[in-house]
Amino acid sequence: EVQLVESGGGLVQPGGSLRLSCAASGFIFSTYGMNWVRQAPGKGLEWVSYISSSNNIIDYADSVKGRFTISRDNAKNSLYLQMNSLRDEDTAVYYCAREGGSSGWNYFEYWGQGTLVTVSS
Amino acid sequence: DIQMTQSPSSLSASVGDRVTITCRASQRISSHLNWYQQKPGKAPKILIYGASSLQSGVPSTFSGSGSGTEFTLSISSLQPEDSATYYCQQSYSTPTFGQGTRLEIK
Repeated sequence: EVQLVESGGGLVQPGGSLRLSCAASGFIFSTYGMNWVRQAPGKGLEWVSYISSSNNIIDYADSVKGRFTISRDNAKNSLYLQMNSLRDEDTAVYYCAREGGSSGWNYFEYWGQGTLVTVSS
Repeated sequence: DIQMTQSPSSLSASVGDRVTITCRASQRISSHLNWYQQKPGKAPKILIYGASSLQSGVPSTFSGSGSGTEFTLSISSLQPEDSATYYCQQSYSTPTFGQGTRLEIK
């Protein structure tokens, strides 16, 4: 069974930093691209960042570019999101999401339960 | 970025009804369109990928169609457990989501 478990969320002041983690199990982590998707309270979904299976492709939403850094450790089956210079508008539930299977289409097939990040003074 | 617009923003329907949700892209995206269902306090769940391919385990009451800029998600016979918010998402370029459609069961 595929499982994605996020951790590391919490309350942080504006301008602060936080590192999110996502522990993966139930599949060969090193063969799948991974994403972070967030959802502000009561709002819709926003894609944040993507990292390919072998770390050679990384992409960010414009809203976080230059402030957030995605990384992965395939030996530890783990995905990370380093968030710096946090702003009020970064307050959201952050989900890690695995890319789809072998169909050739790109979609978010498996999601974690999410971790809440609150940026407030 | 490609903008995705869903309509309606919310709807209310009865058990057994057929409902349709529309998603329009600001530019052509071929069939790179996915649909998700999200229930309160839960992570989204993939329903349809590639505009019309049903994800394994999803009831056949759900179907998707369309290509280019206009897409639809249909639920052929509404069940109480279908009460949720539905999102479209394009995967043609940097991923973007529609604003969501809240479906209420009367």
